[in-house]
Amino acid sequence: EVQLVESGGGLVQPGGSLTLSCAASGFTFANSWMSWLRQAPGKGLEWVANIKPDGSGTYYVDSVKGRFTISRDNGKNSLSLQMNSLRVEDTAVYYCVESGREWGQGTLVTVSS
Amino acid sequence: DVVLTQSPLSLPVTLGQPASISCRSSQSLVNSDGNTDLAWFQQRPGQSPRRLIYSISNRDSGVPDRFSGSGSATDFTLKISRVEAEDVGVYYCMQFTHWPHTFGQGTKVEIK
Repeated sequence: EVQLVESGGGLVQPGGSLTLSCAASGFTFANSWMSWLRQAPGKGLEWVANIKPDGSGTYYVDSVKGRFTISRDNGKNSLSLQMNSLRVEDTAVYYCVESGREWGQGTLVTVSS
Repeated sequence: DVVLTQSPLSLPVTLGQPASISCRSSQSLVNSDGNTDLAWFQQRPGQSPRRLIYSISNRDSGVPDRFSGSGSATDFTLKISRVEAEDVGVYYCMQFTHWPHTFGQGTKVEIK
């Protein structure tokens, strides 16, 4: 059974930083594209970032380029999202997603003063 | 960015009756391999999204056969042949032919 467990969310002030983690199990992590998606409270879904199976390529939506960094450790079956210069509009539930198919339960990031 | 426009945004349905959701894309979703990367997701209240359909019409494992997808290029449809109580939620179409991948606004399905 595929399991994706996110952690690291919380309350942070505008301009602050936060790192999200995702622990993966139940599939061959090193063979899978991995992604972070988000959903602002009461809103729709937004794709944030992708990373290739071997980590050689990353892709970001324009609104987070230069501020967020997606990375992975295939030896530890883990995915991360380093978020810097956070803005109020980054407030959302962040989901770890495998190959656009399997989703974690999400972790809430609140950016507020 | 590719814009996906869903209609209707709200869909009250009687139990046992069919339901249909449209998704129109601002660009063709046919990729360089000739495949079309259009998927449908269901998000039940308080839950994470769940993929139902991929590549226009392929049902994911465990998805009831009352769900079906169809369409091509820029026009796509999700149909529920007979709505059940567990189908209540928000349905999203999503494209991953073009970066950034984008979602429709969502269609809220509720029981009349």
